[in-house]
Amino acid sequence: ETGVTQTPRHLVMGMTNKKSLKCEQHLGHNAMYWYKQSAKKPLELMFVYSLEERVENNSVPSRFSPECPNSSHLFLHLHTLQPEDSALYLCASSQGLRRGTEAFFGQGTRLTVV
Amino acid sequence: QQQVKQSPQSLIVQKGGISIINCAYENTAFDYFPWYQQFPGKGPALLIAIRPDVSEKKEGRFTISFNKSAKQFSLHIMDSQPGDSATYFCAASNQAGTALIFGKGTTLSVSS
Repeated sequence: ETGVTQTPRHLVMGMTNKKSLKCEQHLGHNAMYWYKQSAKKPLELMFVYSLEERVENNSVPSRFSPECPNSSHLFLHLHTLQPEDSALYLCASSQGLRRGTEAFFGQGTRLTVV
Repeated sequence: QQQVKQSPQSLIVQKGGISIINCAYENTAFDYFPWYQQFPGKGPALLIAIRPDVSEKKEGRFTISFNKSAKQFSLHIMDSQPGDSATYFCAASNQAGTALIFGKGTTLSVSS
């Protein structure tokens, strides 16, 4: 496989459930990101990892917990979510954090919280 | 300061027409302005990008026009085709930034 792969593609979870989203990149990049995409809103940056260290956390509620065990894998652990957390969650990767570095996105996980 | 404002929210263009999407920003530190294209069920993909040292960049049917004094930039799609139907996002970042700031997106429909 090439590019950025996200699993699962679709997820329905109750507010008391615990689930995890997975992202894997096969591009040899060293920076990875989680974005949230809601209808009629800009893509919201959630977390940035560079060389497996978190470098940015944009005031995301603690019910979202990221994990980056190595430069190829990124997880988003979910627990006690709210219905307003329903959205498309996009993972992206890039070669470094330099200005102008192209970000490559996965297809996203469509999350529905019931 | 960190916002990128994009308009229109949706756009319908006839095949062969010109599609124009506009973006405005406030942070003068922004110095990289890409456009991303997203098809249904797919993640966004880089389409074309510009830096403020040039006023225009063209790649095939896609052109970015940049007005630094007005803090505005726009995407023009010439000879629009049904295959161009997608959601387009403008974005911005700066030299010190760690990630892109995106606009809300424009859904383009090109009718045949």
